[in-house]
Amino acid sequence: AQTVTQSQPEMSVQEAETVTLSCTYDTSESDYYLFWYKQPPSRQMILVIRQEAYKQQNATENRFSVNFQKAAKSFSLKISDSQLGDAAMYFCAFLNYGGATNKLIFGTGTLLAVQP
Amino acid sequence: DSGVTQTPKHLITATGQRVTLRCSPRSGDLSVYWYQQSLDQGLQFLIHYYNGEERAKGNILERFSAQQFPDLHSELNLSSLELGDSALYFCASSAGTGGIEQYFGPGTRLTVT
Repeated sequence: AQTVTQSQPEMSVQEAETVTLSCTYDTSESDYYLFWYKQPPSRQMILVIRQEAYKQQNATENRFSVNFQKAAKSFSLKISDSQLGDAAMYFCAFLNYGGATNKLIFGTGTLLAVQP
Repeated sequence: DSGVTQTPKHLITATGQRVTLRCSPRSGDLSVYWYQQSLDQGLQFLIHYYNGEERAKGNILERFSAQQFPDLHSELNLSSLELGDSALYFCASSAGTGGIEQYFGPGTRLTVT
């Protein structure tokens, strides 16, 4: 069974600084996707970034980028130039593409605070 | 706005009761996924429907059931409610069965008293 681990329950960053959130996962599958979702106080789940396991190039979306280390089964999220609006709970998620159940498996989340 | 709608936003009910949560997927999406977010269990997958048919079940209790109707909206029925069923229930939709791009609704906050 696949598992997703986020070892940082809480993180804090100064506005305009850079922060990295960690995520590790465990799977024996070869065809999968990894995601970072943001959940602000409104509770809405917002997709931040997606990484296909078959792609070696790390995904980037504006100020958000990932460091995908497939062999190490590591998938960290880097937020550059942090803004107050980035304060939220961040969830790392795994999806086994083509499996019997194409469900998202979530980590326990990292609560990010942004200090002005 | 993800384009996925869920009603109601909040629901307060008593133990032993039955409730129905409703989800309308994004226009054109055929898949609906239900997830539960609770303090002790975190975010977990409940069930997946594609074009009216059940495709996969996760950690869904036997007291819970779901269906997807011909107009593609979905309902999650929770019965014999217990205090531990208090949670935020999300639905998400995607175009196909792959689930790669799942767009989440705003959730229904269920409180069982």
